[in-house]
Amino acid sequence: GESVGLHLPTLSVQEGDNSIINCAYSNSASDYFIWYKQESGKGPQFIIDIRSNMDKRQGQRVTVLLNKTVKHLSLQIAATQPGDSAVYFCAENRGGSQGNLIFGKGTKLSVKP
Amino acid sequence: DTAVSQTPKYLVTQMGNDKSIKCEQNLGHDTMYWYKQDSKKFLKIMFSYNNKELIINETVPNRFSPKSPDKAHLNLHINSLELGDSAVYFCASSQDGATGGGKLFFGSGTQLSVL
Repeated sequence: GESVGLHLPTLSVQEGDNSIINCAYSNSASDYFIWYKQESGKGPQFIIDIRSNMDKRQGQRVTVLLNKTVKHLSLQIAATQPGDSAVYFCAENRGGSQGNLIFGKGTKLSVKP
Repeated sequence: DTAVSQTPKYLVTQMGNDKSIKCEQNLGHDTMYWYKQDSKKFLKIMFSYNNKELIINETVPNRFSPKSPDKAHLNLHINSLELGDSAVYFCASSQDGATGGGKLFFGSGTQLSVL
């Protein structure tokens, strides 16, 4: 399944399935994008990033895809585990090195055992 | 050691009071930030400081005043607290330059409840 982060939607997946979390960004000048994971009671934690000169980047069990044409970012989590349950945020850097990240509204991922 | 630490974790106070939240990072980063997260989990930047100098100051009431005594610390002082200030406040830091480029490291948050 997939979801669009507009009103903190919830994506519910079965343990072991793949998850896809989508994000639409607003500024075509944004040159750097990050996915963060926020567990309950904790601060956002870096998962993976991608620069605008790439369209795909892979990490451990996670893949980020960037489509600049439609200003769309997605996070794919392979073999989703209960520990992946959290709120996921995409963030865009609208330029400069000062880290002025603009966050999307988040998607809550729930993993059913 | 915690990379970005902020205190207190919980802060419950009455309207009209003045309170401070402290933040320290031991990552050697040049830039520190304050973000506010509302009840719908929306994260919005408030301020950023680079080497003790204010860089970003979003539309935040002037009751909020950040103070950076050195580049490892960024405290947030709030005067005349209002009900609408209730939120979770996150401190963060990042390393500038091409290799940093905006990757933020967050503290665990301070949940502020104004009664």
